[in-house]
Amino acid sequence: GNSVTQMEGPVTLSEEAFLTINCTYTATGYPSLFWYVQYPGEGLQLLLKATKADDKGSNKGFEATYRKETTSFHLEKGSVQVSDSAVYFCALRPNDYKLSFGAGTTVTVRA
Amino acid sequence: SQTIHQWPATLVQPVGSPLSLECTVEGTSNPNLYWYRQAAGRGLQLLFYSVGIGQISSEVPQNLSASRPQDRQFILSSKKLLLSDSGFYLCAWKREDTEAFFGQGTRLTVV
Repeated sequence: GNSVTQMEGPVTLSEEAFLTINCTYTATGYPSLFWYVQYPGEGLQLLLKATKADDKGSNKGFEATYRKETTSFHLEKGSVQVSDSAVYFCALRPNDYKLSFGAGTTVTVRA
Repeated sequence: SQTIHQWPATLVQPVGSPLSLECTVEGTSNPNLYWYRQAAGRGLQLLFYSVGIGQISSEVPQNLSASRPQDRQFILSSKKLLLSDSGFYLCAWKREDTEAFFGQGTRLTVV
């Protein structure tokens, strides 16, 4: 089946620290991969995506590269801010209908 | 532009009472619609999805049901709530060629 495994949190960082959240997936075929972000009290917003192997998605200083050989889509940001505090979800879309999410990683950035 | 409305934002209901959460989408037609639940400390669980009016697919057996009486309306219901139904419920829509767009969520507390 299709599944997503992401790094468990919570993660607490200081401002300007480097952030990595690991995400690996299991899927048949060639799924699209996503990172969604959920700010406190809100729904999810798409952060970035990649639709094929070796694609790099980027947005708001975050990056993730679709690695088919390691079935991974790790999220990185070189210098986090307090406003990056949120829950981050890795997700895969195996077909046109479904979107499967990881468990989410809570990130807290301290000033 | 497309928007998704979900209400109410918060709800406190006694055990055994009925539930009705409503989600409507504007600015698109024939979307795929989804209900997710996010339990405390856990990730997103897909509850139901719908690819058309009257078409409902259930992902997990549970105390809830869903209906799609109109193209852009998706309703989550229960006849008798359980304590374990507490959580954060998210409605989402997507089309084959788009990402998923989420509502702001409903925080349900069953007491």
